[in-house]
Amino acid sequence: TQLLEQSPQFLSIQEGENLTVYCNSSSVFSSLQWYRQEPGEGPVLLVTVVTGGEVKKLKRLTFQFGDARKDSSLHITAAQPGDTGLYLCAGERAGGTSYGKLTFGQGTILTVHP
Amino acid sequence: DTGVSQNPRHKITKRGQNVTFRCDPISEHNRLYWYRQTLGQGPEFLTYFQNEAQLEKSRLLSDRFSAERPKGSFSTLEIQRTEQGDSAMYLCAREAGGSGELFFGEGSRLTVL
Repeated sequence: TQLLEQSPQFLSIQEGENLTVYCNSSSVFSSLQWYRQEPGEGPVLLVTVVTGGEVKKLKRLTFQFGDARKDSSLHITAAQPGDTGLYLCAGERAGGTSYGKLTFGQGTILTVHP
Repeated sequence: DTGVSQNPRHKITKRGQNVTFRCDPISEHNRLYWYRQTLGQGPEFLTYFQNEAQLEKSRLLSDRFSAERPKGSFSTLEIQRTEQGDSAMYLCAREAGGSGELFFGEGSRLTVL
């Protein structure tokens, strides 16, 4: 059983469409991060959310942390082919003492068709 | 550029052989992490160092795995007597000053035949 469940696992859309990826858990996290990974490369950090209810925007990407700090979402507006990749959420469990010891979701593979 | 360099990028080996991966952060960062990622999954924590000290190891790290960071700069991850189940991407990361944010290297992909 995954501590962080991401949905959907696969997403195939046309350029210009909007999409949302969800990251859910029954555990509380002190922070939650979103990464993007391309084939054969390491994950690249997109954003960190720390406060319950927090919303952060990065150009066409909007990230939200749930009020209870158990879930998060990533919304992409007007997706472009360059957004194609594996999107990973990762959390640091509340009460943990090892900064950087993250629990990752299984990822969402996004394909944006021109 | 995340400031973390890993080599080799790819390694193909036969079952039973030993392999070693190296991670070089751009400068000496306090915390350095190793993760393993299998196909279709997110990365899983293996171990981490604060300076030279290995402070935590996952139960995923069997006796065949050993990691070192002898001078608090570069790190190595050795797998002895490799098994096909060891096939994965091995990722090294530096942590940004207590933020918990990780900056990963490009990874070392291991294929055990």
